[in-house]
Amino acid sequence: GAGVSQSPSNKVTEKGKDVELRCDPISGHTALYWYRQSLGQGLEFLIYFQGNSAPDKSGLPSDRFSAERTGGSVSTLTIQRTQQEDSAVYLCASSLDWGGGNSPLHFGNGTRLTVT
Amino acid sequence: AQSVAQPEDQVNVAEGNPLTVKCTYSVSGNPYLFWYVQYPNRGLQFLLKYITGDNLVKGSYGFEAEFNKSQTSFHLKKPSALVSDSALYFCAVRLADSWGKFQFGAGTQVVVTP
Repeated sequence: GAGVSQSPSNKVTEKGKDVELRCDPISGHTALYWYRQSLGQGLEFLIYFQGNSAPDKSGLPSDRFSAERTGGSVSTLTIQRTQQEDSAVYLCASSLDWGGGNSPLHFGNGTRLTVT
Repeated sequence: AQSVAQPEDQVNVAEGNPLTVKCTYSVSGNPYLFWYVQYPNRGLQFLLKYITGDNLVKGSYGFEAEFNKSQTSFHLKKPSALVSDSALYFCAVRLADSWGKFQFGAGTQVVVTP
């Protein structure tokens, strides 16, 4: 069975451009998460979805960041007017549930974003 | 505030020796605790979890972890380390007031030397 798939694996963009990062979760997983991992740092929570709704958007760094999920499956994280401090690895994860608390997260390999 | 801490940035151990990676937590209510491992240029892989029951939980690749409620700790252990265990290890807690948000520690780099 396929795991969590993220695309692109690497993205280099110029400052000020918009980028879209895609995540395809494991089939049947209702919860989907976005994290950001900067060089030498831990994981920073961005947002999570239960189905298509996002109960917690508190981690989004600014209004340049947005995310959506459609059909309870694929999610897109969009960063507008990218800045150099946006350079990081963006990790997506999915889990079978969210309310029960038992299910671990399953991570994709991430998208490495470099803003020049 | 709820949090999880990994006090060591790096742990160095010789192959064949016991490996311990420390994790302490501060949460309200009963915590759900997890360990993940990250190899270079890869996402995180789930190792093991504590939800309830026995304080000693066993996971993948020969790892185990002991939940200690009085010390609010969840240390990861392996009796005999391998060079291939060299990786970045993350402890995580699922927060009682926000089920969707896993709080991760800063990570501990494990270096196993031959």
